[in-house]
Amino acid sequence: EDQVTQSPEALRLQEGESSSLNCSYTVSGLRGLFWYRQDPGKGPEFLFTLYSAGEEKEKERLKATLTKKESFLHITAPKPEDSATYLCAVQEGTGNQFYFGTGTSLTVIP
Amino acid sequence: DAGVTQSPTHLIKTRGQQVTLRCSPKSGHDTVSWYQQALGQGPQFIFQYYEEEERQRGNFPDRFSGHQFPNYSSELNVNALLLGDSALYLCASSGWDTQYFGPGTRLTVL
Repeated sequence: EDQVTQSPEALRLQEGESSSLNCSYTVSGLRGLFWYRQDPGKGPEFLFTLYSAGEEKEKERLKATLTKKESFLHITAPKPEDSATYLCAVQEGTGNQFYFGTGTSLTVIP
Repeated sequence: DAGVTQSPTHLIKTRGQQVTLRCSPKSGHDTVSWYQQALGQGPQFIFQYYEEEERQRGNFPDRFSGHQFPNYSSELNVNALLLGDSALYLCASSGWDTQYFGPGTRLTVL
């Protein structure tokens, strides 16, 4: 059973066209939900950690939100340099490993 | 701050051979986790080391083993390589919760 499901798998946006990426999860006792950005052939780059429902975090054009079942990564007025794969991961309350989704591949067209 | 470093960057091996990958954690971090990432997939947890002991292990065979040294650096060893072991191997270090990733080692098995 998948613990983390990300949608859509791929997303193409025009520059300036805002949108949201979804991460739904099924773990018992969420310890943390993490968003990463990954460029091709490179390691994931940390973006945000969210711990409890209702929490929000922002960084430049990105805003992450968390509910009891899912998280959203909102991208406002994206630029071509925002093109990357965005990964979501969850950590259960009693465990140490991260469970990753398969990611959303974002392409921003100039 | 140097961040997480990994070596080598790329590696080509043949089936049946053995390989050792290395990781130095971010300054101040004492926990190291290893992940395997196949093309188009999210990272899959292999194991985590803390205080020189394997603290948790994912669903990987015993061909995958590791070690953590007193300076917190770590090695991942893979024996009897299979074609399916070709992937990007990621090391992540952490203190309390958030994991920070290195650039990865691209392993190709021929």
